[in-house]
Amino acid sequence: DIQMTQSPSSLSASVGDRVTITCRASQSISSYLNWYQQKPGKAPKLLIYAASSLQSGVPSRFSGSGSGTDFTLTISSLQPEDFATYYCQQSYSSLVTFGQGTKVEIK
Amino acid sequence: QLQLQESGPGLVKPSETLSLTCTVSGGSISSSSYYWGWIRQPPGKGLEWIGSIYYSGSTYYNPSLKSRVTISVDTSKNQFSLKLSSVTAADTAVYYCARRGGATHDAFDIWGQGTMVTVSS
Repeated sequence: DIQMTQSPSSLSASVGDRVTITCRASQSISSYLNWYQQKPGKAPKLLIYAASSLQSGVPSRFSGSGSGTDFTLTISSLQPEDFATYYCQQSYSSLVTFGQGTKVEIK
Repeated sequence: QLQLQESGPGLVKPSETLSLTCTVSGGSISSSSYYWGWIRQPPGKGLEWIGSIYYSGSTYYNPSLKSRVTISVDTSKNQFSLKLSSVTAADTAVYYCARRGGATHDAFDIWGQGTMVTVSS
């Protein structure tokens, strides 16, 4: 299995802050890395696919980068509606794996 | 637009089989561009992929659950289903169905709302 490790597991930030979340794969996954946002009681929502492609309808303050084993999700200016949990997921293998999640909380 | 909806019992007894169905509306499950998957989330925990199926019936399962999982597809009803046998309290979770593939580099781009399943006697 390909293991996905996110860091940090949680962070506190203020509205307007720049936030970066990291995801590392246990082996190279090229650019087959996706990011999701999940709010309490809701299904996950796809934000970024193929490491850096913004899903339709997602605000441009979200961006993704990386390839191989190291990836980042950046929120350029945190908004109140961005407080949520974020997950990375590799789709390189038919055997899908998710990171453990990063909870973004209000400072 | 395409929508997915999970259905099935919300309460299952230990050692029994959990059965859920995902109904796809607004599009065909037989599209060659997509896989269809099940993902679960125990209360307060992260996402765990259970398995995926192609409309032709090809399946991929999480190795940690493989011995207990069966995913099947019914193209005539535009549905796919999950069966998880010999359940325990550890299988208590919100179960989501989702679409994978297409233009989003095999990401899960459309999700159902999720259904809570509790394993308890």
